[in-house]
Amino acid sequence: KAGVTQTPRYLIKTRGQQVTLSCSPISGHRSVSWYQQTPGQGLQFLFEYFSETQRNKGNFPGRFSGRQFSNSRSEMNVSTLELGDSALYLCASTGTSTDTQYFGPGTRLTVL
Amino acid sequence: AQTVTQSQPEMSVQEAETVTLSCTYDTSENNYYLFWYKQPPSRQMILVIRQEAYKQQNATENRFSVNFQKAAKSFSLKISDSQLGDTAMYFCAFYEANSKLTFGKGITLSVRP
Repeated sequence: KAGVTQTPRYLIKTRGQQVTLSCSPISGHRSVSWYQQTPGQGLQFLFEYFSETQRNKGNFPGRFSGRQFSNSRSEMNVSTLELGDSALYLCASTGTSTDTQYFGPGTRLTVL
Repeated sequence: AQTVTQSQPEMSVQEAETVTLSCTYDTSENNYYLFWYKQPPSRQMILVIRQEAYKQQNATENRFSVNFQKAAKSFSLKISDSQLGDTAMYFCAFYEANSKLTFGKGITLSVRP
């Protein structure tokens, strides 16, 4: 089975721009979670989608949003980028009858 | 809210020796899951081991085993016969069903040849 894939792997943007990151879960997995990883704050939960519905949300501003499609693929969007948004964004998928999250390789976002 | 604490920021071990990484957590829940993830320099987060809180038996996966003390809210990872490829950052994580993973700050493990 193919693992979780994330595109793009690297991204450079400037302040004020917006960005969209994509995540394709493991085949058959319906839950997708997003995390932000920074040296200062560590790993922080952004949100989780299950069957196209946001099921949980972390403590991030409204500039961070996401969605999930009928094929379980998920996107997250960050608008009006700030320097502090520079981070590794990790996506994880979970199967229906399991509690284990499997992670993708991440998207490294740099905001200049 | 659940919290996960990894108090050691880094450790070093000689190849072929055994090392134990510590983790404590705080929760008022009774049913939950605990994980150790490994993040090598490639940054890919890899599952190492999983423990269900309602199971008293400690989980093992080849050279990796845990010491789960539910009453003490302690969940340590033991790596036996350390290998150079074990060099990575290790994260302890807590999960409650249909919720989110809460991670500790991680510990950097270096395996010396």
